[in-house]
Amino acid sequence: GAVVSQHPSWVICKSGTSVKIECRSLDFQATTMFWYRQFPKQSLMLMATSNEGSKATYEQGVEKDKFLINHASLTLSTLTVTSAHPEDSSFYICSARGGTGGFNQPQHFGDGTRLSIL
Amino acid sequence: SQKIEQNSEALNIQEGKTATLTCNYTNYSPAYLQWYRQDPGRGPVFLLLIRENEKEKRKERLKVTFDTTLKQSLFHITASQPADSATYLCALPDDTGRRALTFGSGTRLQVQP
Repeated sequence: GAVVSQHPSWVICKSGTSVKIECRSLDFQATTMFWYRQFPKQSLMLMATSNEGSKATYEQGVEKDKFLINHASLTLSTLTVTSAHPEDSSFYICSARGGTGGFNQPQHFGDGTRLSIL
Repeated sequence: SQKIEQNSEALNIQEGKTATLTCNYTNYSPAYLQWYRQDPGRGPVFLLLIRENEKEKRKERLKVTFDTTLKQSLFHITASQPADSATYLCALPDDTGRRALTFGSGTRLQVQP
């Protein structure tokens, strides 16, 4: 149980393109989803938190107009990197938390999306 | 500010031995702590959660301790196998209402056959 699917797993595109990444909880309802970014040999850095039906909360230094997050249902959140540039190249990972037990439930992670901007 | 420290140097051990990884934290009073495993190019996989009122938790060959006085957690893998080779991440909930996880930098474990 507790499977999170992330798609696509790998994206290569030209500078200026907008890229959408989907994150789905397959067998549970995710009341909260998180988006992280990970650079090589570094740990995961939280970008934003989204709750179903409400606006995402962005971490300091993360541009909300650059990284658009939509959490339209209890099983789907999307991250759109708008007008991507080479410095946006990174490994983006989503996670989801849901079920009973509230905040003490573990987060379950997708397998990440490797984004490469040429 | 909250800070989580894990040994950034890789840990190399022989198959069959016990691996012990350390997680220290400061400026924190977390209600729980979690350990994750991450393989290259993959997302983290949840392993264990231990609450502040629990001293120790076990799951198969894994054991986690949580010392809230020392502000430290130890993660043990007994009878280690080459398949245990991965990066292990310690994570704590932040002190905001959303309880997002803040991760340590991870310790890479290499088990030699």
